[in-house]
Amino acid sequence: GESVGLHLPTLSVQEGDNSIINCAYSNSASDYFIWYKQESGKGPQFIIDIRSNMDKRQGQRVTVLLNKTVKHLSLQIAATQPGDSAVYFCAENRGADGLTFGKGTHLIIQP
Amino acid sequence: EAQVTQNPRYLITVTGKKLTVTCSQNMNHEYMSWYRQDPGLGLRQIYYSMNVEVTDKGDVPEGYKVSRKEKRNFPLILESPSPNQTSLYFCASSLSSPGLAGVDGELFFGEGSRLTVL
Repeated sequence: GESVGLHLPTLSVQEGDNSIINCAYSNSASDYFIWYKQESGKGPQFIIDIRSNMDKRQGQRVTVLLNKTVKHLSLQIAATQPGDSAVYFCAENRGADGLTFGKGTHLIIQP
Repeated sequence: EAQVTQNPRYLITVTGKKLTVTCSQNMNHEYMSWYRQDPGLGLRQIYYSMNVEVTDKGDVPEGYKVSRKEKRNFPLILESPSPNQTSLYFCASSLSSPGLAGVDGELFFGEGSRLTVL
């Protein structure tokens, strides 16, 4: 069946450095991917999305890269700030049903 | 303010005592969904609804019921809660089913309802 997974459950970075969070997916038919951020005690929030006809999309301080050949998705956060500390989820569409979420990566910012 | 509101935010109950977690959105969204979040398992979809009077099972529907009588409300019902339903529950909504061609995948989530079943 489909699965969306993350390579590392926890990622620790220095404040000001760039962060890269990785995600692997198994359904080659998926054509839409999203990154969500979940801060402690809150619900997930949409960060950025990308469709399979693209391999890169940029937002404010964030970039999503999609490599369909190896079914890999990554989220890059530039100049990481304390407010970036959160759990990050990748998700892929599953048709009309909605989204399948990965298990999440906890990003820890060190001062 | 656009939001998804869940109630209660915290609840401790006992096995077998029926409970309902309410969910309401004020964005006129067609699509609504319930997820449970457990450590190491991420977010798993329980039920979803594409529109009024249309509901479907997600990945983990056992032990749950939902209804969609009105567009804005999508309550989650636990007829006979059991300890394995202890979890953090999230309701979410979006304009249409996220990820469909041409549709933005932005799901709006509520703040979560932490349920403990003893």
